Amino acid sequence: QVQLVQSGAEVKKPGSSVKVSCKASGGTFTGYSINWVRQAPGQGLEWMGGITPIIGTANYAQKFQGRVTITTDESTTTAYVELSSLRSEDTAMYYCARARGWELLPLDYWGQGTLVTVSS
Amino acid sequence: QSALTQPASVSGSPGQSITISCTGTSGDFGIFNLVSWYQQHPGEAPQLMIYEGSKRPSGVSNRFSASKSGNTASLTISGLQAEDEADYYCCSYAGSSTSVVFGGGTKLTVL
Repeated sequence: QVQLVQSGAEVKKPGSSVKVSCKASGGTFTGYSINWVRQAPGQGLEWMGGITPIIGTANYAQKFQGRVTITTDESTTTAYVELSSLRSEDTAMYYCARARGWELLPLDYWGQGTLVTVSS
Repeated sequence: QSALTQPASVSGSPGQSITISCTGTSGDFGIFNLVSWYQQHPGEAPQLMIYEGSKRPSGVSNRFSASKSGNTASLTISGLQAEDEADYYCCSYAGSSTSVVFGGGTKLTVL
């Protein structure tokens, strides 16, 4: 049974950075892509980027290029997303989601979400 | 990349069928049907309902089906039940296999 467990809620100041973790268990880690999807309050889903550990290269949505970094640690089967230069519009629930294979889609397993609040 | 276009809301009575459309460009859908659909209940994480255009993961009811014609994908839910009330999102690659785009989401209300 695959499980993705994310780190706890964060409150950040504008201009700072946040790093959210996603620990995977119950299956192999390296052969499946991990994606990050966020959802602002009352809004829809927004893909931020994804990475396949065995390949190692992350792909990012154009909107977040230069501000987001997605990494993995195979030794702890954990994926991370770091978002810098935070602004109030980054307040959202951040989800990690694992695909069914090494490609980015489809997103078969989801973490519980991590609420990031950006406020002065 | 622009979001895929979905209706903001649809509604239906128990037992009826409804269809949610998802319109993109030929660059989004390409020649393969790799559209996936997700269901999200309030306060919960999304759940995969359909992938590769029309396949259902284990455990998803066969009341959920999907298809694609040209640049429009569709999700059909037959025999509507109260528990189907949720937000639904379509999703596909955006021009290449390294970029993903979601639809804006459709709120399904079961009357």
